[in-house]
Amino acid sequence: DTAVSQTPKYLVTQMGNDKSIKCEQNLGHDTMYWYKQDSKKFLKIMFSYNNKELIINETVPNRFSPKSPDKAHLNLHINSLELGDSAVYFCASSRGRDSTGNTIYFGEGSWLTVV
Amino acid sequence: AQSVTQLDSHVSVSEGTPVLLRCNYSSSYSPSLFWYVQHPNKGLQLLLKYTSAATLVKGINGFEAEFKKSETSFHLTKPSAHMSDAAEYFCVVTYRSGNTPLVFGKGTRLSVIA
Repeated sequence: DTAVSQTPKYLVTQMGNDKSIKCEQNLGHDTMYWYKQDSKKFLKIMFSYNNKELIINETVPNRFSPKSPDKAHLNLHINSLELGDSAVYFCASSRGRDSTGNTIYFGEGSWLTVV
Repeated sequence: AQSVTQLDSHVSVSEGTPVLLRCNYSSSYSPSLFWYVQHPNKGLQLLLKYTSAATLVKGINGFEAEFKKSETSFHLTKPSAHMSDAAEYFCVVTYRSGNTPLVFGKGTRLSVIA
């Protein structure tokens, strides 16, 4: 079974649309994350949730809204998509907050292309 | 602010020869250091991590890394490259002080030539 699974894997959509990416982890972790990987492969954290509460919110436009219905899920909703949102989005999870040095487990990524 | 620098954006080796991927981090508090690998169109997989135990860390697939505080380095090595090692490698740091997110290096693409 996949530990961290995210859907869809590939998404092509037009500018201005609203889309969601879903993420689920079956590892029993209490912290989940969204990372963005740009075209130059650079990875940067967007959000971090611990026990359904937001603990990290980097400088991300308000068009991005994470939703955590329970500890095992962290969905990413994006409003009014822009060309610059095209990237690979990775969901991840860990036991405890990552500052403790716990291993973070990543999903396989969602390739978003905005045309 | 914490940072990590991967000194080479691309490394090319012949199959069967040693691999060295270099990583330096900014010194602040007590770091935890990781190496992740990303194969094409795949997610990130943990190779190994350092969290203040032994300074020489062994990981999966024959990789290892040595934490050198005096040099603020955490270079990744493997004695003999295999074709399947061709991928993107990320050095990552976090600090056990406060609520700090992972900070990724810009990645090193490893090519293995037959």
